Amino acid sequence: AQSVTQPDIHITVSEGASLELRCNYSYGATPYLFWYVQSPGQGLQLLLKYFSGDTLVQGIKGFEAEFKRSQSSFNLRKPSVHWSDAAEYFCAVGGVGGGNKLVFGAGTILRVKS
Amino acid sequence: DTAVSQTPKYLVTQMGNDKSIKCEQNLGHDTMYWYKQDSKKFLKIMFSYNNKELIINETVPNRFSPKSPDKAHLNLHINSLELGDSAVYFCASSQVTIEQFFGPGTRLTVL
Repeated sequence: AQSVTQPDIHITVSEGASLELRCNYSYGATPYLFWYVQSPGQGLQLLLKYFSGDTLVQGIKGFEAEFKRSQSSFNLRKPSVHWSDAAEYFCAVGGVGGGNKLVFGAGTILRVKS
Repeated sequence: DTAVSQTPKYLVTQMGNDKSIKCEQNLGHDTMYWYKQDSKKFLKIMFSYNNKELIINETVPNRFSPKSPDKAHLNLHINSLELGDSAVYFCASSQVTIEQFFGPGTRLTVL
């Protein structure tokens, strides 16, 4: 069965510091992987996605993620965090064979301190 | 232009009532979804429709009935509302690549 684990419920970083949010997945075939961000009271916005090819993918707002098949991981990174990045981040896995459904992790809340 | 829209944004109602949430997408996508986000922010798929045909039904109580009048619309009707139905409901749509675009959500509160 598909599953996604985000080990960190909360992460606090200083503004300007680097960020890495962890995501591990379980999927029986080649996964499609996504990171979404949800600001308080808002919907989900897609940050980036991995389907195939280059394992380092670039997204919006200066985010990137690296797919590591051997570790079943898809960690999200940003070299310098801005206060506006404070939000909840969700990793998700899906595949065409699963009826296109996405399975989400429990989310990681990012707090940014000035 | 709003890509995926939902109405209403907030819905407060009494237990036992019947309510509907509407969703529309103007992206030309073939597939639409309903997700439920509970109080712990956990997101879980409920239904998926492709070209008006139900393709995913994830062990949701039959009090929940999705309806897709055309491929741009997917509505969610809930009968006999219960306290446990309180949540944020998200509509989403996608095309072949399954990259899903989400609506702003409907916060349902059952009193």
